[in-house]
Amino acid sequence: AQSVTQLGSHVSVSEGALVLLRCNYSSSVPPYLFWYVQYPNQGLQLLLKYTSAATLVKGINGFEAEFKKSETSFHLTKPSAHMSDAAEYFCAVSSGNTPLVFGKGTRLSVIA
Amino acid sequence: KAGVTQTPRYLIKTRGQQVTLSCSPISGHRSVSWYQQTPGQGLQFLFEYFSETQRNKGNFPGRFSGRQFSNSRSEMNVSTLELGDSALYLCASSFTFLGQAGNTEAFFGQGTRLTVV
Repeated sequence: AQSVTQLGSHVSVSEGALVLLRCNYSSSVPPYLFWYVQYPNQGLQLLLKYTSAATLVKGINGFEAEFKKSETSFHLTKPSAHMSDAAEYFCAVSSGNTPLVFGKGTRLSVIA
Repeated sequence: KAGVTQTPRYLIKTRGQQVTLSCSPISGHRSVSWYQQTPGQGLQFLFEYFSETQRNKGNFPGRFSGRQFSNSRSEMNVSTLELGDSALYLCASSFTFLGQAGNTEAFFGQGTRLTVV
């Protein structure tokens, strides 16, 4: 069975600081990995996805994530946080015959 | 093009009642998935429909059911509502069946916030 663990339910950074949101996955087959963002009272929006083409994936709004098979990780980073990045972020995993399995989410706060 | 539309956005129901939620996918998308989001459990998969057939089902009681119409619109029904059913219900549409092509992007609607009192 697949699973996702997001370390830290809440992360707080200063505006302009590095954003690092951690995600570890478990999958018995090569996974597809996703990061989604959810703003208050909104649905989920795809930030980026890993589909085995490249280990470093660039997404929207300046976010990127690196797939590390040896560490079973897919951490999300952004060099410089902006106030508008404050939201909840979800890591998700899928394989060839299963639906998306989400982590519990990490709420990102950005301090001015 | 228009995104995923979920109606209604907010709903208040009494324990024991039933409720029907609607989801209109992006034009051309044939797969619709439903998720329940709660603070305690996070996002949990309910079911996925593709071409009017349920292809995958999560671990929810039989009170939760769904269907998909020939135009790909989907409805989700919850009977005999319980207080614990209070949640944000999210619908996602995709071009192909997620269970068949795991790298397919799923587009989410804004959700229906269900409150059971």
